[in-house]
Amino acid sequence: EDQVTQSPEALRLQEGESSSLNCSYTVSGLRGLFWYRQDPGKGPEFLFTLYSAGEEKEKERLKATLTKKESFLHITAPKPEDSATYLCAVQGWGGADGLTFGKGTHLIIQP
Amino acid sequence: AAGVIQSPRHLIKEKRETATLKCYPIPRHDTVYWYQQGPGQDPQFLISFYEKMQSDKGSIPDRFSAQQFSDYHSELNMSSLELGDSALYFCASSSPVVRTDTQYFGPGTRLTVL
Repeated sequence: EDQVTQSPEALRLQEGESSSLNCSYTVSGLRGLFWYRQDPGKGPEFLFTLYSAGEEKEKERLKATLTKKESFLHITAPKPEDSATYLCAVQGWGGADGLTFGKGTHLIIQP
Repeated sequence: AAGVIQSPRHLIKEKRETATLKCYPIPRHDTVYWYQQGPGQDPQFLISFYEKMQSDKGSIPDRFSAQQFSDYHSELNMSSLELGDSALYFCASSSPVVRTDTQYFGPGTRLTVL
């Protein structure tokens, strides 16, 4: 059974204070690891897909990295508008079509 | 760019009633997924369809059924509603044609069962 654990559960940062969110996973053959951003009451907004260990992707202040056991979402010089819940999800070969999500990290950026 | 469309956005029902949620995938996406997200919970996979055939099944109650139509839109039918069915229901779509299984989510339908 695929499993995803995200840490920390919540993180409060000052504007401009960089940090990293962790996503540990177990899956029978990684088909893809996905990062989403979710605002309250809204649908998850796609950020990144990572397929293999060593892969990195960047978008504005966000950078996602992947190893064989975990993924990190690095946030550089965050702004208040980066406040949201960040969800990590995996999809494995031979597993369900659906994504297995972690509980998310609730990020608050204070001005 | 066009996104996933869901309707209605909000729905209020009484216990034991039925509800139908609709999903219109991104154009040229042929795979649709349904998820349920309870308050403070992560999204849970319910069911998926590829080319109008059921592709996979997750934790979908027997009271729920779904189908995908010839125009690729999908409907989730929920019967004998219970208080615990109150949640956000998301539809997502993907296109296996491109080398990505990325699922793009819609804005969701908030179902409240009274």
